[in-house]
This record gives sequence, C-alpha cells and structure tokens, in this order.
Amino acid sequence: AQSVTQLDSQVPVFEEAPVELRCNYSSSVSVYLFWYVQYPNQGLQLLLKYLSGSTLVKGINGFEAEFNKSQTSFHLRKPSVHISDTAEYFCAVSVRGAQKLVFGQGTRLTINP
Amino acid sequence: DTGVSQNPRHKITKRGQNVTFRCDPISEHNRLYWYRQTLGQGPEFLTYFQNEAQLEKSRLLSDRFSAERPKGSFSTLEIQRTEQGDSAMYLCASQGAYEQYFGPGTRLTVT
Repeated sequence: AQSVTQLDSQVPVFEEAPVELRCNYSSSVSVYLFWYVQYPNQGLQLLLKYLSGSTLVKGINGFEAEFNKSQTSFHLRKPSVHISDTAEYFCAVSVRGAQKLVFGQGTRLTINP
Repeated sequence: DTGVSQNPRHKITKRGQNVTFRCDPISEHNRLYWYRQTLGQGPEFLTYFQNEAQLEKSRLLSDRFSAERPKGSFSTLEIQRTEQGDSAMYLCASQGAYEQYFGPGTRLTVT
C-alpha cells in the first residue's frame, strides 16, 4: 500500500519570502506524484504533477517541485509567496496503472504581510 | 464552465435520513472518482467508475453507501440512514490523461 506524509501541518511565512512544503511517500512500486491546492470551501486544484522524466517540474502560480527517488520525496517550493497563496496544500500519489489518489494530511500555508 | 460540478454544495440532514449527491464530470472523461474529506484531513478514496462500471470500492464505503453512474455520464452517491460520523466534504473528480480534476464538493452536516 502507498502512503504520503506531509511533514508540516502548518507553515507560516512572510510575504515575498521563499517557502518549501515537504512531502515524503512510501511505495514499493513506481508512482505518479501530484500537488493540489485547496482554498477555503472549495475543491482541489492541481498545481503540478510528476509522471516521468525531468525530476524538476514546474506548475501554476510560480510553484515547482523536485522528485527525489532515493529519498522518496516530492517537496514543493516557491521562491516568493503572495498573500493569495494562503491555502491548504496536499501532496498525493497514485500507483501507475491504478489511478486512485492517496493524499497526505495537508499543510496549511499562512502568509503574513 | 466545463469543469466538474457537484450538487448540492451544502446539505444539512437529521440523523437517520437518506441523502443523495450528484456529480457531473468533464464530458470527455471516462473515469470518475468519489472521495471523502473530514476536517483537517486529506481526501480519502471511496470508489471509482470507468464509464458506467464501478471498478473499485474502498472499505470506507459501508453498506449504507451506494454509488451509481448510469450511462457513464453523471454519478450519484447515496447515503442511507445517515450518522453523525458521515459529516464531511464529499468530493468528486474526473480524470484526464493522468491527473484528476475536482469539483467544488458537497459539504454534508448530519445533526
């Protein structure tokens, strides 16, 4: 079975500062990796995905993530955050060929002015 | 708007009542998923359909829950004899090539 651990439940940062949201996964087989963002009382919006190839993937809103197979990690980064980035962020995995997503518990990103 | 839609957005019901939620996926997507999200947690998989066939059900989906996708288009999720523990956000997603696109969810409150 697959599992996802998001190491920080809350991350407070100042506006225009860089941020990293950490995600580690466990799986005995190859996986696809995803980051989603959830704004209050809304569904989830896909930020970026890793399927194969280059380990650095770029997504929407200036976010990027790096896949590290040896460390089984897929950390999300943004060099300069804005107030509008305040939201809950979820890391998720799916086993190739079995498409259901397994999510982490989420990281609440709070941007302080 | 051609995204995933869900209705109703909010549902308040008394314990023991039955409720039904609807999901309309992106029209060209064959796969449709249901997830449940409780406060402070990530979504948890409930079930999914390939066209009209229900291919997998989580053990979270007790016998009080039933999902259908007639004709492979919209889907419904019914909860019978609701319990307070059923209070959650119910999310629907449809799948493109690899990624899933989520609807806004239906928030269920059981009083």
